[in-house]
Amino acid sequence: DAMVIQNPRYQVTQFGKPVTLSCSQTLNHNVMYWYQQKSSQAPKLLFHYYDKDFNNEADTPDNFQSRRPNTSFCFLDIRSPGLGDTAMYLCATWGAPRTDTQYFGPGTRLTVL
Amino acid sequence: AQKVTQAQTEISVVEKEDVTLDCVYETRDTTYYLFWYKQPPSGELVFLIRRNSFDEQNEISGRYSWNFQKSTSSFNFTITASQVVDSAVYFCALSNAGNNRKLIWGLGTSLAVNP
Repeated sequence: DAMVIQNPRYQVTQFGKPVTLSCSQTLNHNVMYWYQQKSSQAPKLLFHYYDKDFNNEADTPDNFQSRRPNTSFCFLDIRSPGLGDTAMYLCATWGAPRTDTQYFGPGTRLTVL
Repeated sequence: AQKVTQAQTEISVVEKEDVTLDCVYETRDTTYYLFWYKQPPSGELVFLIRRNSFDEQNEISGRYSWNFQKSTSSFNFTITASQVVDSAVYFCALSNAGNNRKLIWGLGTSLAVNP
């Protein structure tokens, strides 16, 4: 059974049009992460939540925001997408069946036209 | 500072060959974790293995094996008798211990297994 679920799997948006990506987890873990991964690169951490505490990486653009209404759900909002935001967005959490292991969702491929 | 180096950007082998993917890490922490993830063309990051800094035992899982050596700060990954389905990008990663753990990623090694 999927532990980290992301919707949609594919998203196309227009330059400047806000977009929201969603993530849910069944592991009931208190930490959730959002990564951006561009082609042929390693994942880049955007921010993470420890419970409701939001932790932004220093180089994450202000254009990227996040919400975590409860333990299970986390959203990534891109307020005014630019062409450079075309990427795979990955959500992750830690937890069972192996503790101290980060598990990833299938990702959302975002294309900005 | 923590760092993970995967010196091999791309590797190409013929099916049934053995292949080793190198990973070298840097950290000042005494407790840390090392990971390998596989990323096939579909894009999902698939967890392969985790090792903690106190466990230097090598591990074998089917055709996959891992060699962890603290003396050389290396955590290498070997695929025996490679198959086309092994074609993917493989990432090595390092995390600290504690509540606010983050993964430090290598740049990945793209493995192409040709029939």
